Amino acid sequence: RKEVEQDPGPFNVPEGATVAFNCTYSNSASQSFFWYRQDCRKEPKLLMSVYSSGNEDGRFTAQLNRASQYISLLIRDSKLSDSATYLCAVNLGALTFGSGTRLQVQP
Amino acid sequence: DAGITQSPRYKITETGRQVTLMCHQTWSHSYMFWYRQDLGHGLRLIYYSAAADITDKGEVPDGYVVSRSKTENFPLTLESATRSQTSVYFCASSVDNEQFFGPGTRLTVL
Repeated sequence: RKEVEQDPGPFNVPEGATVAFNCTYSNSASQSFFWYRQDCRKEPKLLMSVYSSGNEDGRFTAQLNRASQYISLLIRDSKLSDSATYLCAVNLGALTFGSGTRLQVQP
Repeated sequence: DAGITQSPRYKITETGRQVTLMCHQTWSHSYMFWYRQDLGHGLRLIYYSAAADITDKGEVPDGYVVSRSKTENFPLTLESATRSQTSVYFCASSVDNEQFFGPGTRLTVL
């Protein structure tokens, strides 16, 4: 079993839709969690950290469920510019990344 | 205000040659990392460094060598390149567990 797993997608959604991604992790001792966004052929960029209490940044909401060992990312009112691959990352000494979930927002 | 830079951005080399990928950061972050990214595998950690002169292996270190004589530089060397090392290589530095990536080096080994 991979340490960090994501559904690769692609998720094809219309503009304005709400979409959610999950990411499961295997090590219960993991300390910190992140969502990154990666555009095609570019470097990953930090989207948001995931806190135990959950956190929101505009249209983006991240949640952590320690009991079930997953983190989630919710995007409301999807924009064409949200089309990208979303990587989750889990820190246990060093960051371990999931393989990413591809999102395609369609007009 | 360069942040973190990598050079070269593109490199084509031949099997058996030595190749060095450069990484430079201007933030004075203690931690630096090298990843490779391949289809189907996502980002995999090659080596990381907690400070100057301190380096440690990641998930896929075989065939790679790193050094960290100065805090701002973290070069990655492929001592004898193989076709399986064809990949996109990302360098990163971190503060407070948040990592910031360089633009990547696309390496092709023929």
